[in-house]
Amino acid sequence: EVQLVESGGGLVQSGGSLRLSCVASGLTFSSYAMSWVRQAPGKGLEWVSVISGSGGNTFYADSVKGRFTISRDNSKNTLYLQMNSLRADDTAVYYCAKNWLSTPESYNWFDPWGQGTLVTVSS
Amino acid sequence: DIQMTQSPSSLFASVGDRVTITCRASQSVSSYLNWYRQKPGKTPELVIYAASSLQSGVPSSFSGSGSGTDFSLTISSLQPEDFATYYCQQSYSTPWTFGQGTKVQI
Repeated sequence: EVQLVESGGGLVQSGGSLRLSCVASGLTFSSYAMSWVRQAPGKGLEWVSVISGSGGNTFYADSVKGRFTISRDNSKNTLYLQMNSLRADDTAVYYCAKNWLSTPESYNWFDPWGQGTLVTVSS
Repeated sequence: DIQMTQSPSSLFASVGDRVTITCRASQSVSSYLNWYRQKPGKTPELVIYAASSLQSGVPSSFSGSGSGTDFSLTISSLQPEDFATYYCQQSYSTPWTFGQGTKVQI
């Protein structure tokens, strides 16, 4: 069974930085692209970023481009999200999710999802 | 960016009811459309992928259809655990985008 466990969330001031981690188990980690998806309190889902299995390809939502960096360490089965220049509207639960393919191609979906980690940005 | 619009935003139903949720894309996404269920306070879970394929472990009461710009998710007989919020999501092109959600209430 695939399990994803996020950590690193917390309270940070506007303009600050935070690094999220997601440890994966039960899969050949390097064989799958991985994504971050966030959900602001009481709101819907917003895709944030995806990284290919090799780590060579990354894509970002416009709302985080230039501020967030996705990366992975396949030797540690760990996905990261470095978040800089945080703003109040970045406040959300951040989920990591496994993609179906190793690359961010069209035939893709999120399954499973981690339990999420809450990031709160105070202004 | 491809905009995804779901309707209705919320609905009221009873156990045993048949429910249909629709999702419209601002441009064609072929069949690259997925559906997720999020129970209150829980993590989202995949129910339908590639427009009409049922995810393993999901009851056969769930079905998906459509292609191009218009899609639907149907629950043929609502069960108590189906009262949740449902999201469609296109994977045709990045940025991958979600619909705003449809809350199915008792």
